[in-house]
Amino acid sequence: DAKTTQPPSMDCAEGRAANLPCNHSTISGNEYVYWYRQIHSQGPQYIIHGLKNNETNEMASLIITEDRKSSTLILPHATLRDTAVYYCIEVNTNAGKSTFGDGTTLTVKP
Amino acid sequence: KAGVTQTPRYLIKTRGQQVTLSCSPISGHRSVSWYQQTPGQGLQFLFEYFSETQRNKGNFPGRFSGRQFSNSRSEMNVSTLELGDSALYLCASSLVGTDTQYFGPGTRLTVL
Repeated sequence: DAKTTQPPSMDCAEGRAANLPCNHSTISGNEYVYWYRQIHSQGPQYIIHGLKNNETNEMASLIITEDRKSSTLILPHATLRDTAVYYCIEVNTNAGKSTFGDGTTLTVKP
Repeated sequence: KAGVTQTPRYLIKTRGQQVTLSCSPISGHRSVSWYQQTPGQGLQFLFEYFSETQRNKGNFPGRFSGRQFSNSRSEMNVSTLELGDSALYLCASSLVGTDTQYFGPGTRLTVL
């Protein structure tokens, strides 16, 4: 079973920031938070990951709370092409597998 | 650098048949994982291979099997196909020492 909790759907206006929340209340100290997205019928695409510090790359920013129980993925200027299902997952290097939940369907509207 | 490739992209089989799907990881990636995605169950982990050895396995029956070759290419096999095996089968590769997975486009299997 997935260990993270995400809202099933969200809308965002084109050009605005999209903030996608994730709860990972049972995360352990050595588990990373990873975000992927899946555009319809394609394979999931890696976005960003972090352990406890906030991270930023060319695609997005990741904010992780101090207690690591929740995180937020931020797409600073959403475009129509960002419409996808976004998955937040916990990754334990030693376990070697990733458990995906249902994710959040983000719809960017013109 | 080329991404993960999967062949075939689409496949139609009938119940009782068997099928073999192929995955070529990104050059230099030695870990390959397989996932099944269905509308009802979402993305489910099947197994992971590293250096030709199965390192982790999900909760699937023995009809689902896989292997990895010395060049890191991987195949998965499903025997005695059932209607419920209709799904998108995804392969992902990663570099040694990292957990970031890079997914292929998937193979869409339809069982009639």
